[in-house]
Amino acid sequence: EAGVAQSPRYKIIEKRQSVAFWCNPISGHATLYWYQQILGQGPKLLIQFQNNGVVDDSQLPKDRFSAERLKGVDSTLKIQPAKLEDSAVYLCASSGGGLMNTEAFFGQGTRLTVV
Amino acid sequence: AQSVTQLDSHVSVSEGTPVLLRCNYSSSYSPSLFWYVQHPNKGLQLLLKYTSAATLVKGINGFEAEFKKSETSFHLTKPSAHMSDAAEYFCVVSDLGTYKYIFGTGTRLKVLA
Repeated sequence: EAGVAQSPRYKIIEKRQSVAFWCNPISGHATLYWYQQILGQGPKLLIQFQNNGVVDDSQLPKDRFSAERLKGVDSTLKIQPAKLEDSAVYLCASSGGGLMNTEAFFGQGTRLTVV
Repeated sequence: AQSVTQLDSHVSVSEGTPVLLRCNYSSSYSPSLFWYVQHPNKGLQLLLKYTSAATLVKGINGFEAEFKKSETSFHLTKPSAHMSDAAEYFCVVSDLGTYKYIFGTGTRLKVLA
């Protein structure tokens, strides 16, 4: 079974530029998550999709971050404009849901450096 | 709303001694609970999971955790620490109702020779 795919793996941009990350979840997984992990901290949930609908985006800085999941499959996360404090690893995860299995599977992440 | 608290940000143990990493959770629904390990500059690796079956869960690399509903705890233990266990450990709670997947702030485990 193929895992969660993310691209790019690394990205360096200047502040005020824009950047986009892509995620392809495990086939058939209805739930998709985006996390931000700043160095030395735990992953923070930015947004959760159930199919193509947003379940929770309470911690997404909506003035600069946006995310979409068209057709309920792959997803993109965009930052525009980027700030220095956005430097982090952005993790995508997916979950099949169901009553007995809520385990999420994680991609390798995209390491963003804003200079 | 669900949440998870990792009671220690840093734990130091000597090699060969027991490891205890503490986690308390809050959940409105029947929770699933997970422990992940993250080595420096590496991805998240699932150690073990509790999904309403046996309350004592065994994971990889000799780790285990016990779900205690009365104490709302899910502490991670290992009988004998190895140098390779030095890493960051995260406790995660997920509600069957919402499927939110919430991480704790992490515990950094240091293993002394």
